[in-house]
Amino acid sequence: ETGVTQSPTHLIKTRGQQVTLRCSSQSGHNTVSWYQQALGQGPQFIFQYYREEENGRGNFPPRFSGLQFPNYSSELNVNALELDDSALYLCASSSLATSTDTQYFGPGTRLTVL
Amino acid sequence: ILNVEQSPQSLHVQEGDSTNFTCSFPSSNFYALHWYRWETAKSPEALFVMTLNGDEKKKGRISATLNTKEGYSYLYIKGSQPEDSATYLCAFLTGTYKYIFGTGTRLKVLA
Repeated sequence: ETGVTQSPTHLIKTRGQQVTLRCSSQSGHNTVSWYQQALGQGPQFIFQYYREEENGRGNFPPRFSGLQFPNYSSELNVNALELDDSALYLCASSSLATSTDTQYFGPGTRLTVL
Repeated sequence: ILNVEQSPQSLHVQEGDSTNFTCSFPSSNFYALHWYRWETAKSPEALFVMTLNGDEKKKGRISATLNTKEGYSYLYIKGSQPEDSATYLCAFLTGTYKYIFGTGTRLKVLA
């Protein structure tokens, strides 16, 4: 067990809707990264938060946004859902912004967009 | 566009065999390379974080090497066991804090 939890486990939405996914980081970790894994691909980096500020972003449109809270839990928000947003969403926490420290992954949220 | 490639895509080995796979990454803008093991229905588990050219890390029967000048890392498993069956992912971390994952190598160890 990594100590990182995600909710919900599974989610079904329809195109155009908005979704919020949640991640609870391992205790003491101030950095969280979010990833999207589509079928047959490796995880794609969405963004990273360090002490409540965005610290790096992959090639995702602005309708993917995030928040990190003082207790280091975080959210991934996706607006105007598209069919291609169907994927497994993973969060990973670590203790340093430089991220040469080990990342600890949660079990993921499986999002299906119909 | 930065790309990370892993090979082979999948392989089957017999219990007791040793095996290795490759992660190829851009040789510029290197910051770190992470290796993960991802078993079905579980979270990806960190194996190694490698930062220095020539680095070699070991954890039990698993070891990894790093060559940042030519842009590759090898992961070795000595004496494979059925519990080693998993997908092995590498992730390249750029100097601007972006992670780029490979698509993984799916290993099946046959008893």
